Amino acid sequence: SAVISQKPSRDICQRGTSLTIQCQVDSQVTMMFWYRQQPGQSLTLIATANQGSEATYESGFVIDKFPISRPNLTFSTLTVSNMSPEDSSIYLCSVRGFLEGYNEQFFGPGTRLTVL
Amino acid sequence: SQELEQSPQSLIVQEGKNLTINCTSSKTLYGLYWYKQKYGEGLIFLMMLQKGGEEKSHEKITAKLDEKKQQSSLHITASQPSHAGIYLCGADIIDDYKLSFGAGTTVTVRA
Repeated sequence: SAVISQKPSRDICQRGTSLTIQCQVDSQVTMMFWYRQQPGQSLTLIATANQGSEATYESGFVIDKFPISRPNLTFSTLTVSNMSPEDSSIYLCSVRGFLEGYNEQFFGPGTRLTVL
Repeated sequence: SQELEQSPQSLIVQEGKNLTINCTSSKTLYGLYWYKQKYGEGLIFLMMLQKGGEEKSHEKITAKLDEKKQQSSLHITASQPSHAGIYLCGADIIDDYKLSFGAGTTVTVRA
């Protein structure tokens, strides 16, 4: 399995500020995803992080609110911009499509965000 | 409505007893994943099933995918406190590599 790290693991932020979450994988992967899990809910896909091009966002999510970078095959960032209390969630990085060939999808440990 | 229906929503079992969680879709699935999540943490990959009729086991956990690839079950034998947590099924409902998730099943194991 892959080793995926996320930073920070948790944060408490003030309304109107922004937070950037980092995701690092120990193997090269073709696909990286960002999910959100609101309190008591299941996972919702925010976007697919594409290397060298703009991320692909799911319905209800926009680049201005959740800008994403993916400079290479092992690293991505998600920024939560102009935060409001409704953004309080766990944000999860997920990876798939390992260059070694296996197709499992793994998740990082998550970033627990609280917005006051 | 959820594309994946998971049942039950929660269950409480006595330590040593077996339990089964189900995940159902109205569409044929390209792949079915089972994960476990401790409260507030990330998802731990358990198993991936891709072929109709496929069954996989790891330690005391067995997952099956039916022949029509629309229903999967996760079975835990002789449950232990370490099996407590939230179990989530995720699936490739269309062939775009984006997982959709069920609502999750919260498992409590009583000593």
